[in-house]
Amino acid sequence: AQKVTQAQTEISVVEKEDVTLDCVYETRDTTYYLFWYKQPPSGELVFLIRRNSFDEQNEISGRYSWNFQKSTSSFNFTITASQVVDSAVYFCALPSLYSGAGSYQLTFGKGTKLSVIP
Amino acid sequence: DAGVTQSPTHLIKTRGQQVTLRCSPKSGHDTVSWYQQALGQGPQFIFQYYEEEERQRGNFPDRFSGHQFPNYSSELNVNALLLGDSALYLCASSLGQGAREQYFGPGTRLTVT
Repeated sequence: AQKVTQAQTEISVVEKEDVTLDCVYETRDTTYYLFWYKQPPSGELVFLIRRNSFDEQNEISGRYSWNFQKSTSSFNFTITASQVVDSAVYFCALPSLYSGAGSYQLTFGKGTKLSVIP
Repeated sequence: DAGVTQSPTHLIKTRGQQVTLRCSPKSGHDTVSWYQQALGQGPQFIFQYYEEEERQRGNFPDRFSGHQFPNYSSELNVNALLLGDSALYLCASSLGQGAREQYFGPGTRLTVT
């Protein structure tokens, strides 16, 4: 069964500090994708990134970077020079294929609440 | 480009009542998924609709049902409401049936008293 573990429940950092959010996953699929979403206090989940298990290169987008390590089944997310606007709950998610139907559902971790203090 | 919209924003119902939540997908998307998010938890998958059919279902009882219309919009119906159904209900849309990114709406906050 698919499983996503985000062991950090809450993290607080002071503005401009770097912070890394951990994600560990379990899957029996040989090929798979991983996602990160951000949920600000408004409640709407915002898509951040999708990575294919074929590609283990780090991804960087502005202040955001992702470190995918298949050997340890981890897909960690780092925010550099954090800002107050980064305060949100961050979710890691793993799509699971519904056999025979071609459709996917997302299995989410429990999320990590990040508070950036000015 | 309109994103995913949901209505209503908030809803208060009494135990035993029935509720209908609505979702319009992002322009160009044809697949709608529904999730339930309890306070402090990650979203839990309820079901997914594509081509007006339920394609996949999570671990939710038959009290939860849905529908997709020809314009790809969707409804989530919950019968015989329980206190435990109080949650944020999120609708997500995507294109086709692959493991593509799902775009979420703002959600409907349901409170059952």
